[in-house]
Amino acid sequence: NAGVTQTPKFRILKIGQSMTLQCAQDMNHNYMYWYRQDPGMGLKLIYYSVGAGITDKGEVPNGYNVSRSTTEDFPLRLELAAPSQTSVYFCASRETGVPDTEAFFGQGTRLTVV
Amino acid sequence: DQQVKQNSPSLSVQEGRISILNCDYTNSMFDYFLWYKKYPAEGPTFLISISSIKDKNEDGRFTVFLNKSAKHLSLHIVPSQPGDSAVYFCAASAGQGGKLIFGQGTELSVKP
Repeated sequence: NAGVTQTPKFRILKIGQSMTLQCAQDMNHNYMYWYRQDPGMGLKLIYYSVGAGITDKGEVPNGYNVSRSTTEDFPLRLELAAPSQTSVYFCASRETGVPDTEAFFGQGTRLTVV
Repeated sequence: DQQVKQNSPSLSVQEGRISILNCDYTNSMFDYFLWYKKYPAEGPTFLISISSIKDKNEDGRFTVFLNKSAKHLSLHIVPSQPGDSAVYFCAASAGQGGKLIFGQGTELSVKP
């Protein structure tokens, strides 16, 4: 009954370091999303994918990269971490792109860049 | 440019009373609106949605109202319970891919 699993839960990075935030879902969902939430703000879409091998930019893609080689996994890559990327990152998945189908969110990864 | 706005960062309500959370939007192309609830250290969870062709949707204690002419929607919780204390996000969807545009959130506190 895992749903959407994100790892790690917490991470501190130094400026200029790189890391990959992992996201895996076991519901066979085609649609997957990465959001970031800054303090006092709503969630902003970084990247999304409508199926394996297909990704597209969201509202705030700069500084990030994604890949989708399998249906289950949708990792988010930060190449050169900057303090502006300090945020809580949420991965989500849904069965279809129909708006009223429920999107399931992971518990989030809290990233601090110092 | 904030396309979905929740202008009240917080709301405090007495248990048993009605909670009304408001949301405004600017993009008339939005075709679905959703409310998500978020507890600390957890991801958001879906609460209720409404299509742009409707003006009301009800699910138990939760009702969402949509006023398209005013580009405004609201979530009513009746009666409010302490377990409803959480951050509530309004979200809107338009176009392909099921992308959601979120508001800033309103933190609801229901006091016993």
